[in-house]
Amino acid sequence: ETGVTQSPTHLIKTRGQQVTLRCSSQSGHNTVSWYQQALGQGPQFIFQYYREEENGRGNFPPRFSGLQFPNYSSELNVNALELDDSALYLCASSTGLVTYEQYFGPGTRLTVT
Amino acid sequence: SQKIEQNSEALNIQEGKTATLTCNYTNYSPAYLQWYRQDPGRGPVFLLLIRENEKEKRKERLKVTFDTTLKQSLFHITASQPADSATYLCALVGDGSSNTGKLIFGQGTTLQVKP
Repeated sequence: ETGVTQSPTHLIKTRGQQVTLRCSSQSGHNTVSWYQQALGQGPQFIFQYYREEENGRGNFPPRFSGLQFPNYSSELNVNALELDDSALYLCASSTGLVTYEQYFGPGTRLTVT
Repeated sequence: SQKIEQNSEALNIQEGKTATLTCNYTNYSPAYLQWYRQDPGRGPVFLLLIRENEKEKRKERLKVTFDTTLKQSLFHITASQPADSATYLCALVGDGSSNTGKLIFGQGTTLQVKP
């Protein structure tokens, strides 16, 4: 059984650019959630995908968008990057709509300069 | 909206002692509450889930309590070891319904266990 993987591990972008982060869910999991974690803070929910449909969204602007593919892997896209977007982006997978324990990937560290 | 408060100050304890971490929430009582461990530069790891009708849950050296009257959960690590040093996060479902992925996390409490 493979765990949750994310790519890339680190990324440096310039303000105004666009970025795509990728996540492969744990085997057997059909739900993927994305979180943003600033330094010294807890993860903040961005959105969740269940069977390729968005199921719940946090307090993030529309320039944060996502996709889930038929194999349940997922992408997080951020347009018009701002300095405050610098953070650790975490992907978590789980089964079903009800949010019991989530299995997190190692994260992608995004730095916006 | 729901808010979670964890002690932002690091907790330093001696090896062998019991560590107690606190999680307070402000609004509705969730159907369940979760605790995660996070090591530097890594994703959180699920530890325990406790439901609103459970007062206490144990797993090896870990114990979690859930008091819906006080709107508080306590997380205990008994016989602590240096390997327990990490940040511990409390999380609950964000909008009063269990039928959603919106977990709200506290900011975490960093535990340092000294040998």
